[in-house]
Amino acid sequence: DQQVKQNSPSLSVQEGRISILNCDYTNSMFDYFLWYKKYPAEGPTFLISISSIKDKNEDGRFTVFLNKSAKHLSLHIVPSQPGDSAVYFCAAYSSGTYKYIFGTGTRLKVLA
Amino acid sequence: DTGVSQDPRHKITKRGQNVTFRCDPISEHNRLYWYRQTLGQGPEFLTYFQNEAQLEKSRLLSDRFSAERPKGSFSTLEIQRTEQGDSAMYLCASSPPGQAGYGYTFGSGTRLTVV
Repeated sequence: DQQVKQNSPSLSVQEGRISILNCDYTNSMFDYFLWYKKYPAEGPTFLISISSIKDKNEDGRFTVFLNKSAKHLSLHIVPSQPGDSAVYFCAAYSSGTYKYIFGTGTRLKVLA
Repeated sequence: DTGVSQDPRHKITKRGQNVTFRCDPISEHNRLYWYRQTLGQGPEFLTYFQNEAQLEKSRLLSDRFSAERPKGSFSTLEIQRTEQGDSAMYLCASSPPGQAGYGYTFGSGTRLTVV
């Protein structure tokens, strides 16, 4: 039962353009949603989060949007840079469970 | 504090052997997690400690897997009688209490290859 889904395994974007990564979830009890970035041979690193009471959170070039009615969140990266090339995971957290459930990841490639 | 440390970084073992991995979390973090990641998948939850207490184990964690966190500091994950299906990246993460919105801090992982 995949509670958090990332349906696009890969995405290629030109440098300077917008990257949009999508994530869908099924459990309406999730309180927080996060995006992690992962380079090869490293552990995932925290990128940005959003609480379920908000619909947008912005941090520099990164913005996360949450649509609770659609159970959908997205990560926008503007402008995209070659150093953004990595695998991006969305993760969802439910208070009381104390753990994050991860999606399968989207490999982003930013072309110079 | 330099973050979450995992040892070893790589482990190659023969099928049927036992292996043990170690994780040293960030010192002020009382929560410690083990996840497993296979190729093309996201990290899958294995188990979770709050201080020294193991509060949850995933159904993924068969009887061959055991984890400990003595004295609420470092943690070990042991796999007995390894199988080829155990080949994966084993990730450890830690977090302080009450900061769900900031996620975990992950270590670099231990890559296990069972031959």
